[in-house]
Amino acid sequence: GDSVTQTEGQVALSEEDFLTIHCNYSASGYPALFWYVQYPGEGPQFLFRASRDKEKGSSRGFEATYDKGTTSFHLRKASVQESDSAVYYCALGNYAQGLTFGLGTRVSVFP
Amino acid sequence: EAAVTQSPRNKVAVTGGKVTLSCNQTNNHNNMYWYRQDTGHGLRLIHYSYGAGSTEKGDIPDGYKASRPSQENFSLILELATPSQTSVYFCASGDSDSTEVFFGKGTRLTVV
Repeated sequence: GDSVTQTEGQVALSEEDFLTIHCNYSASGYPALFWYVQYPGEGPQFLFRASRDKEKGSSRGFEATYDKGTTSFHLRKASVQESDSAVYYCALGNYAQGLTFGLGTRVSVFP
Repeated sequence: EAAVTQSPRNKVAVTGGKVTLSCNQTNNHNNMYWYRQDTGHGLRLIHYSYGAGSTEKGDIPDGYKASRPSQENFSLILELATPSQTSVYFCASGDSDSTEVFFGKGTRLTVV
């Protein structure tokens, strides 16, 4: 079945550091790819999506590019803030049958 | 604003008892979903629905039933709760016309 692998389980950074979270997927067909963010006590919130090869999604300074060749959708942000501390999920799928999520990456940003 | 409301937010249940988790959405979305979230497993899809009267099995449906009596409401039912079902459960809604799936705030279920 479809699957999503996030390489980093936890990331600790200082403010203004560069953030990268690696996401690779395995799926039949041409799935849409997503990034979600979850803050404590809340449900996951949509960050952005991409639906085709080379498409870049972005929001709130975060961005990722759909790469069908390397089956990747890595999340990047140039300069993180303490308020970016959260759990980030990469996901794939469609609205008809739901999304398949990775295990999540806990990001902690220290002042 | 899109909204998904879950009730209760916290629940303690006894092993072997029946548990019903409720979800209401005001987004007029056709699709609704139930996920559980566990450390080491991320979010896993239990059941989903295409609309009123429909329920479909997700990736981990064993031990769970779902009910979609209306466009707005989607329930998750544990007929015989077990401690392994202790988890945080999230309901969500979405459809092909929206750009995202909206999640509720979750229900923390503890089965003792």
